[in-house]
Amino acid sequence: GAVVSQHPSRVICKSGTSVKIECRSLDFQATTMFWYRQFPKQSLMLMATSNEGSKATYEQGVEKDKFLINHASLTLSTLTVTSAHPEDSSFYICSPYAGGGTGVGYTFGSGTRLTVV
Amino acid sequence: AQTVTQSQPEMSVQEAETVTLSCTYDTSESDYYLFWYKQPPSRQMILVIRQEAYKQQNATENRFSVNFQKAAKSFSLKISDSQLGDAAMYFCAYRSAQGGSEKLVFGKGTKLTVNP
Repeated sequence: GAVVSQHPSRVICKSGTSVKIECRSLDFQATTMFWYRQFPKQSLMLMATSNEGSKATYEQGVEKDKFLINHASLTLSTLTVTSAHPEDSSFYICSPYAGGGTGVGYTFGSGTRLTVV
Repeated sequence: AQTVTQSQPEMSVQEAETVTLSCTYDTSESDYYLFWYKQPPSRQMILVIRQEAYKQQNATENRFSVNFQKAAKSFSLKISDSQLGDAAMYFCAYRSAQGGSEKLVFGKGTKLTVNP
């Protein structure tokens, strides 16, 4: 149980274009979705938290207009990096959370390596 | 705000030996959860062990155990009989037990190398 699908695993895009990363919880419903960014050899940095049907809450310093998060259903959330630039190159990880009472707890996608050229 | 500190950027251990990874945290709360996550080269985050602060008994999962010292705000991870597959980044994480505060606060991580 608790299967998470994150796509794409790798993407290369040109500077100025937008990239969408998709995260699905395949066998459970995620009331909350966390999106992280991880630079090489560093820890996970929380970018934003979203609840199904609500606007995402962004961490300080994260541009909400650049990193668009949609959590339209309990099994799907997307992160769109708009007008990507080389400094947006990073590893992005989604983390669907089903709530403490479900026994599922915290889960993580396999990550997306974004390279902006 | 809560913080998590992992003071050992890198550690190494011989195969079959025991290693302890350190983690301290800062909080004013009395009820919370602590976690250890493993991130192998594949970069998939894997839960190793979790501890509820209200439980005095240290959590164990097979070869993995913790030493939870609530007063000292310390949560170390002991890996016994280390295996080559244990080589990974290990992250300590904290989560408040307060309703509406579900986000995890991660430490900077410890890179564990297992030598054959």
